[in-house]
Amino acid sequence: QKEVEQNSGPLSVPEGAIASLNCTYSDRGSQSFFWYRQYSGKSPELIMFIYSNGDKEDGRFTAQLNKASQYVSLLIRDSQPSDSATYLCAVPWTGGYNKLIFGAGTRLAVHP
Amino acid sequence: DARVTQTPRHKVTEMGQEVTMRCQPILGHNTVFWYRQTMMQGLELLAYFRNRAPLDDSGMPKDRFSAEMPDATLATLKIQPSEPRDSAVYFCASGPGKGIGNQPQHFGDGTRLSIL
Repeated sequence: QKEVEQNSGPLSVPEGAIASLNCTYSDRGSQSFFWYRQYSGKSPELIMFIYSNGDKEDGRFTAQLNKASQYVSLLIRDSQPSDSATYLCAVPWTGGYNKLIFGAGTRLAVHP
Repeated sequence: DARVTQTPRHKVTEMGQEVTMRCQPILGHNTVFWYRQTMMQGLELLAYFRNRAPLDDSGMPKDRFSAEMPDATLATLKIQPSEPRDSAVYFCASGPGKGIGNQPQHFGDGTRLSIL
């Protein structure tokens, strides 16, 4: 079992819909979780992080964390074609040093 | 805006040549990471440093790759000799090194490497 798993997609949603991206992790000791967005040909960019169970909202983005079930999700409301990208879930390695374990990423396509 | 700076942005060279990629981490960050990304393998961690000391380079092919931090403002990744299978995008990332993994990494723009 991979340490961080994501559905590779592509996840196709119409413009204006809610896109739901999911990530599961294996280490129960994980304390914080990061979502990176990577446009084609660009570098990963941090867009959200969450430390506590529940929801965290930032504009059109909501991160949801359920530690008991070991999953974290990213919701994008009112999806726009500019949201089309690969979304990487990352979980810190419990040994520290800012080392992150990345999922393979989910490719999101928002069509007009 | 603090950024991780990587040079060169693009590199095309012939098989067998030495390739050197450079990274300037964000000022004050003391952890530095090198990644390689391909369509087939995704994002792979090659090596990482804390306070300029190498912590783990198990992700690198040892016979041809080497990573160093000559000083706190410069990290280098070298390939000698280069092979076509090394063609990929190489990213450098840095982190503040505080706490137990509660801080994210920030990525540079990458070096797109093509070995002919």
